[in-house]
Amino acid sequence: GDSVTQMEGPVTLSEEAFLTINCTYTATGYPSLFWYVQYPGEGLQLLLKATKADDKGSNKGFEATYRKETTSFHLEKGSVQVSDSAVYFCALRGFNKFYFGSGTKLNVKP
Amino acid sequence: EAGVTQFPSHSVIEKGQTVTLRCDPISGHDNLYWYRRVMGKEIKFLLHFVKESKQDESGMPNNRFLAERTGGTYSTLKVQPAELEDSGVYFCASSQGQQTSTEAFFGQGTRLTVV
Repeated sequence: GDSVTQMEGPVTLSEEAFLTINCTYTATGYPSLFWYVQYPGEGLQLLLKATKADDKGSNKGFEATYRKETTSFHLEKGSVQVSDSAVYFCALRGFNKFYFGSGTKLNVKP
Repeated sequence: EAGVTQFPSHSVIEKGQTVTLRCDPISGHDNLYWYRRVMGKEIKFLLHFVKESKQDESGMPNNRFLAERTGGTYSTLKVQPAELEDSGVYFCASSQGQQTSTEAFFGQGTRLTVV
């Protein structure tokens, strides 16, 4: 069945460091891929998405490319800020439902 | 436009008691989903409504969980009787369509603690 695997956290970085959070997936058919973010005390918010192979989603300096050959959708940001501290969830949307990874907590220190 | 709203935000109940969670989706969204995150693990699907009908309830853990969506508007998720393993964060989401490209909008979640 469909599933998502993302790197374990927590990830602790200094401000302005480069961020990569790995995400791989298993899916039948042609899913769309998403990154959701949960800031402290808030709900899940869509960060970015990609709907087909080789698409790149981007938002707020974050990027992720839908790689069908490696079944991956890694999240990257060139220079993180303290305000990026949150839990990041990789997800795929198959037929009528989302499948989520376990979440990666990011702590950014000033 | 109001987002997805969930009540309560937190609930602490004793084992064996009953708890009812409520979700108000975005107006006009026919699709409503319930998800649960237990102990920092992945967010798992519970069930999916299209309007008032249950489209998929394959993720419901057992018959202690009952979800309803009368009139196709808000939804409730009742746990009766609650067990310790039911503790977690319950998320509700809604979407306008069912295409794989369609994002879902999530509420803030209800943190349920069973003691």
